[in-house]
Amino acid sequence: DTGVSQDPRHKITKRGQNVTFRCDPISEHNRLYWYRQTLGQGPEFLTYFQNEAQLEKSRLLSDRFSAERPKGSFSTLEIQRTEQGDSAMYLCASSLGSFRYGYTFGSGTRLTVV
Amino acid sequence: AQTVTQSQPEMSVQEAETVTLSCTYDTSESDYYLFWYKQPPSRQMILVIRQEAYKQQNATENRFSVNFQKAAKSFSLKISDSQLGDAAMYFCAYRSEMTQGGSEKLVFGKGTKLTVNP
Repeated sequence: DTGVSQDPRHKITKRGQNVTFRCDPISEHNRLYWYRQTLGQGPEFLTYFQNEAQLEKSRLLSDRFSAERPKGSFSTLEIQRTEQGDSAMYLCASSLGSFRYGYTFGSGTRLTVV
Repeated sequence: AQTVTQSQPEMSVQEAETVTLSCTYDTSESDYYLFWYKQPPSRQMILVIRQEAYKQQNATENRFSVNFQKAAKSFSLKISDSQLGDAAMYFCAYRSEMTQGGSEKLVFGKGTKLTVNP
């Protein structure tokens, strides 16, 4: 098990284009989280899944953002009609849900909207 | 809503010395968890240490220890015998106790950049 994988590592896109990111969690982890981190800030929660069910969404997740976790395995985060303000690091994390096990973060996808 | 405040944007320490990073939080909940995460440059976030709010004993992990003051809502991180590899951004984070219907999300502070001088 190599931990949480995110793809791509970097994405440059033109304003108005759609982008999709993928996260592969640790295989036995039933919970998956998406966070956004802008320069000089701590990560901000976007959404989380327990298995395939999306249980919580932040108000930061506007209608241009959608996340899925089909079959409770990998997850995708899509941003439609990207704006310059969407430029950030998008972090994925997974956990077993118990405090004892904590969260394991991926290395993130850095999005630059030009 | 819970908030986490890290009042030190940057800190520096000499190699082998001790440094303390500050964190305060605001919550109306009685049960929760607190974490310190380390984020090296261009690398993934790593859990350093965690604390359950109901435990009075401060958590320790090798050279890392916390000073948890529940009444003061303070959760500082002490790094002893600092090493060059400790240089990173350090984030304090809060999470509700899920069994009481709290959110599973982590609420992070803005971070403290730690520099270790040789």
